[in-house]
This record gives sequence, C-alpha cells and structure tokens, in this order.
Amino acid sequence: GAGVSQSPSNKVTEKGKDVELRCDPISGHTALYWYRQRLGQGLEFLIYFQGNSAPDKSGLPSDRFSAERTGESVSTLTIQRTQQEDSAVYLCASSLEGGPKKLFFGSGTQLSVL
Amino acid sequence: AQSVSQHNHHVILSEAASLELGCNYSYGGTVNLFWYVQYPGQHLQLLLKYFSGDPLVKGIKGFEAEFIKSKFSFNLRKPSVQWSDTAEYFCAVTGAGSQGNLIFGKGTKLSVKP
Repeated sequence: GAGVSQSPSNKVTEKGKDVELRCDPISGHTALYWYRQRLGQGLEFLIYFQGNSAPDKSGLPSDRFSAERTGESVSTLTIQRTQQEDSAVYLCASSLEGGPKKLFFGSGTQLSVL
Repeated sequence: AQSVSQHNHHVILSEAASLELGCNYSYGGTVNLFWYVQYPGQHLQLLLKYFSGDPLVKGIKGFEAEFIKSKFSFNLRKPSVQWSDTAEYFCAVTGAGSQGNLIFGKGTKLSVKP
C-alpha cells in the first residue's frame, strides 16, 4: 500500500475484554514498530519486529500485551483483559531496513477502555 | 536511564517569528537524533535527522537542527514560522547502529497565529 495502515481507527471496549489492533506496513519494509501514546505523554515504545521475529519486546508493559507478525507483513497487537490505563493511541510504524533510520507511521488506533 | 526531554509543552508564536524548540537527551554512546512532526489530522512524519558529520542538519520546510554533543542537545530552529507550521513536534534519539527502539520526547505543540 501507499502508507502504513492501521485498523480499527477507533476502538471502544469494556474493561476486561480483549482487543486486537492491526497494522499493515508499507510493502517491503522489514522493520515494524509498535508505540503507545497516552494523553499528554510522549510515544512509548512497545515492541519491534525485524521480519517476523521480535528482537526487542522490552516495552510491552505486562503479560496482557502480545504481538505477532506474519509473512513479514501484517502485525497484530493483542491486549487481553483490558484495563482503563490501556486507553491510548496505539501507533504502528515501519521502516525499509533494520534500525529506525526513517520511520513511516500509521494514523494510529485510538483505544478507549470504559 | 535513556530519555529525551523537550523543554516546552506548548509554544505560541505569531507568523514570521523565529522558532527554537529545545531537546536534550540522555543516552550513553554515539547517538542518532531525529525530529518528527505531526500536523493536525496527519501522521507523524520525519522532519530531519542527524547520524554523523556536520552537526547542523537541514530538513524539510526550512527547518534545521544543531547537534551540540557537549550539551546533549538537538534543538530545532526555523528563522520565520508560518501558520502552516502549526503542529506537534517530537524529538527522538537512538543509539548509532541501533536496530530497535527510538526513544521519543513528550512533544512540543506549536501554535502559529496568522
């Protein structure tokens, strides 16, 4: 595609439910990143994929968060048993090669946990 | 701990005023530095980056930034702002040759009055 695509753009869920957020990176981009931005805060790194493997998962805040990437393309971020503090914009970015030399960001998924 | 500090949360300027947004980082070793910008309703996009060489780097739309190693700073400047520069600006750092995480500041919102 022309850019990084994320879906859904908005998600409202009830506390305790599971959610899945999807990211379609730019075709051919081997590196994929997930960030979270809470209101009034900077971007918080969650996880990085190089191909289908995740060499850096250090930012995942708890074991309720997981992510996978298949076919060196689509990635899914799953949050289980959502909590109100999970409310944030979840941003996905991709880059052509390993290393964040130039990240292309999607428009994000606004997650609201009621 | 690795971190990026942006001094101003919100800057309000009139058109044609000069701009300087502060950015200081804490990161061991050689760094790569970035400024990203998010215009209203748009994706985050790269404004400029520093990897090595001339510490004064020029980006799109007349922006420039200067890397001062002794001050751990990478301030963003523009001699004369326009209304269209209204956006949120994020400074970011990563280790040179890093394959992963880009550490972002909390962002500075710039409002330019016509």
